[in-house]
Order: sequence, then C-alpha cells, then structure tokens
Amino acid sequence: GQQLNQSPQSMFIQEGEDVSMNCTSSSIFNTWLWYKQDPGEGPVLLIALYKAGELTSNGRLTAQFGITRKDSFLNISASIPSDVGIYFCAGYYPMSNTGNQFYFGTGTSLTVIP
Amino acid sequence: GAVVSQHPSWVICKSGTSVKIECRSLDFQATTMFWYRQFPKQSLMLMATSNEGSKATYEQGVEKDKFLINHASLTLSTLTVTSAHPEDSSFYICSFPGTVSYEQYFGPGTRLTVT
Repeated sequence: GQQLNQSPQSMFIQEGEDVSMNCTSSSIFNTWLWYKQDPGEGPVLLIALYKAGELTSNGRLTAQFGITRKDSFLNISASIPSDVGIYFCAGYYPMSNTGNQFYFGTGTSLTVIP
Repeated sequence: GAVVSQHPSWVICKSGTSVKIECRSLDFQATTMFWYRQFPKQSLMLMATSNEGSKATYEQGVEKDKFLINHASLTLSTLTVTSAHPEDSSFYICSFPGTVSYEQYFGPGTRLTVT
C-alpha cells in the first residue's frame, strides 16, 4: 500500500522547545490525521483536518492541512517529557467501491530531554 | 473515544505453530474492523478489512490462507497467524471504525515473537 513520507524520522529536543514535523504524499486526501503512539500501544488520534488550508489546534498541538491537499504539518509547542513517542500522520479518502482507505506516514520518533 | 481491547498483549510461539489474536470492542458494535501490522520502527500497514458475516478483504501481498480473519460478532474479530515463521514476528494492531468516516479506534496491539 501507499506510504506517506514523514520528516524528520527522529528528533531529540530539550524540554520546552517547539517541535515541527511534516508529511507529504503524491496523492490527494480528503482528510489528514495526526496520531501519537506510545511504546507497546495503539495509536491515539490527536488532530483531524478536513479541508485544504485548515489550521487546527489541540492544546499545545497545531496542525495544518496543506493547500494542495498533499501535505500536512504538526507543531508541538513548549514540549514536555510526556510528549515522547512516535507521531504518525495519516491520509484518508473514501472509496465508494472498496470502502474507506487510510494510509499512514512513516512516523517521527520524538525524544524530549528533561 | 471507544474502548478496544486485544488479547493477548504479547505472545511468543515456536515456528510452525498457529497463534490467535482477539480484538474486542467493549462499548460499541461494528460490522467492519481493520487489522494492521507494524514492524519495528516502521509505520502501520493495513493487512485486511474484517467484515461481520462475510469474508475478509485482504490487501495486496497479504496471504489470506496464512492470516485467517474471523469477524465472529459485531464486537469481536480474530486474527489467526497459521504456521508462523520468524518473519511473522511483528506488532499486530486492530481498529474499529467510529461513527465519523475517518475515525478509527485502535486496540493496544499484540506483540508476536516467533522463535
């Protein structure tokens, strides 16, 4: 299946710093999603974006749906140790014949140094 | 959000044996479920879509005879890895779709190690 290109692959930052990661695709999506996965756990949805250009915040997290519908970014402000984990973007578009389709990014591993 | 459980959370088995993984929703029902596989430091790859009352739909490259899926009820789906080999060692995650089309509620995953 298709994979979305996510960068950077990993980040090591000091507590309190801001973080930015992005996701690009060769295909257009109707919805962009950002998930966080803790070790040994399933992903948890952080933010969902529904239309091109949309900018949405969830606490210290801000994400944007790119104008071209082929990219998205996630920012985390004032990072804290519990932000540690792997962040995945996902693109979604409904397929009328075969059902819904999700494609996940390659992931960004975030380490926050206290 | 919805609560999804998986059992077991981890399993170690010998090569050639079969392993069954259960995925259960605790507070809602769904006719469709998704099974993903995640190798270390890689993304989630959709393996198959489980359909209650009918056959599962498998993604290209996924062997349906090796990964048996049974959507037994609206709250339970099982994935059986038959004749497991070391290369099947992975993190298997199920998800239930939510009421909104893009929503998915993921289980906590099952770590399979085949020795």
